[in-house]
Amino acid sequence: QSVLTQPPSASGAPGQRVTISCSGSSSNIGSNYVNWYQQLPGTAPKLLIYKNSQRPSGVPDRFSGSRSGTSASLSVSGLRSEDEADYFCAVWDDSLSGGLFGGGTKLTVL
Amino acid sequence: QVQILQSESELKNPGASVKVSCKASGYTFSDYGLNWVRQAPGQGLEWMGWINTNTGQAIYARGFTGRFVFSLDTPVRTAYLQISSLKTEDTAVYYCARDPKGGYCVGSGCYSFRFDYWGQGSQVTVSS
Repeated sequence: QSVLTQPPSASGAPGQRVTISCSGSSSNIGSNYVNWYQQLPGTAPKLLIYKNSQRPSGVPDRFSGSRSGTSASLSVSGLRSEDEADYFCAVWDDSLSGGLFGGGTKLTVL
Repeated sequence: QVQILQSESELKNPGASVKVSCKASGYTFSDYGLNWVRQAPGQGLEWMGWINTNTGQAIYARGFTGRFVFSLDTPVRTAYLQISSLKTEDTAVYYCARDPKGGYCVGSGCYSFRFDYWGQGSQVTVSS
């Protein structure tokens, strides 16, 4: 069981907005930047959001991130079939002096 | 352009060793750390640790000490992950990923824990 808690699944119809949560603690999300990764089936993960809410070049603005206290969230608006993937939050943990990934959320576009 | 190319799949017997390679190109090698991430079948991502590409110092996450060794061959811009005394539970895809310098410091390295480029992954299967 991961120290960072994500729902195992999420879903939405095309065009809708879906939000995925990531819950942690004061030693990780509460004090460090959260990053999000998208992993399409059979491929390597891809950086989607960094420093809580920043998008790397090339990532559509349909993807957005936020952080509040010891939780973070990733929102996907205007859902498209190609958004079907696993999404992972990741953050540094000061108590562990190491990095953590959330357990991952499988997003299904209905 | 930035590329990170990993070695091909490996099939090993329990008790054997394996060495996975990760070759970087398209950027200044020493400006970024290299991290290793494990993904067991149907499971999530696990951070294994990083290697400082300036000093060669390796930092290992809990659960990845002892049988796991990170190393470098800097002239050929390649990092390696060696796993010894393989167990069936080591069956996984192993990824290396580039990490810019930043504020999270352990040992001699300070990185961002932000993996902006990944290798394609190397499947290691341990089975008799």
